[in-house]
Amino acid sequence: EVQLVESGGGSVKPGGSLRLSCAVSGLTFSNAWVGWVRQPPGKGLEWVGRVKSKAVGGTAEYAAPVRGRFTISRDDSVNTLFLQMNSLKTEDTAVYYCTEEGEWTFVHWGQGTLVTVSS
Amino acid sequence: EIVMTQTPLSSPVTLGQPASISCRSSQSLVHSDGNTYLSWLQQRPGQPPRLLIYKLSNRFSGVPDRFSGSGAGTEFTLKISSVEAEDVGVYYCIQATHFPYTFGGGTKVEIK
Repeated sequence: EVQLVESGGGSVKPGGSLRLSCAVSGLTFSNAWVGWVRQPPGKGLEWVGRVKSKAVGGTAEYAAPVRGRFTISRDDSVNTLFLQMNSLKTEDTAVYYCTEEGEWTFVHWGQGTLVTVSS
Repeated sequence: EIVMTQTPLSSPVTLGQPASISCRSSQSLVHSDGNTYLSWLQQRPGQPPRLLIYKLSNRFSGVPDRFSGSGAGTEFTLKISSVEAEDVGVYYCIQATHFPYTFGGGTKVEIK
């Protein structure tokens, strides 16, 4: 069974930083394209970014609202995905879901972790 | 960026009756490889999203056959042939033909 377990959410002031982690099991993580999707409270889904497998270069790609502030990385030795979030804004408040891509869509999802940015 | 528009915003349905959700894209979702990368997700209350349909009409593993996807070009439909209580939630279309992936705004399915 594929499992994605996020951690690291919490409350932070505007301008602050937070680092999310996602532990992945049940699949060959090194071959997986993994990333993050967020959902502001009571709203819809928004793609944040992803990192490809190292076999195809391991490059990270980002949505425009977070580019330059967020960094996605992976550690294949411990099957873990990371999201480093800097210069946080109130509009970054959301549940952040870790996702695994396949078949040109988001196949597997974690349970999510809440990030609240407020003064 | 491709804009995905879902209708209706909310769909009250009677148990056992069919339901239909529409999704329209601002550009054709036919990829240069001939595939249409349109998917549907279900999000039950308090749960993360779950993949139902991928590549326009393919049901994901474990998805009941009462769910079906169809469409072409810029117009797409998710149909539930006979709504059950466990189908309550918000449904999202998502396109992956054009980068970045974009989501529809969601359609809430509730029981009358």
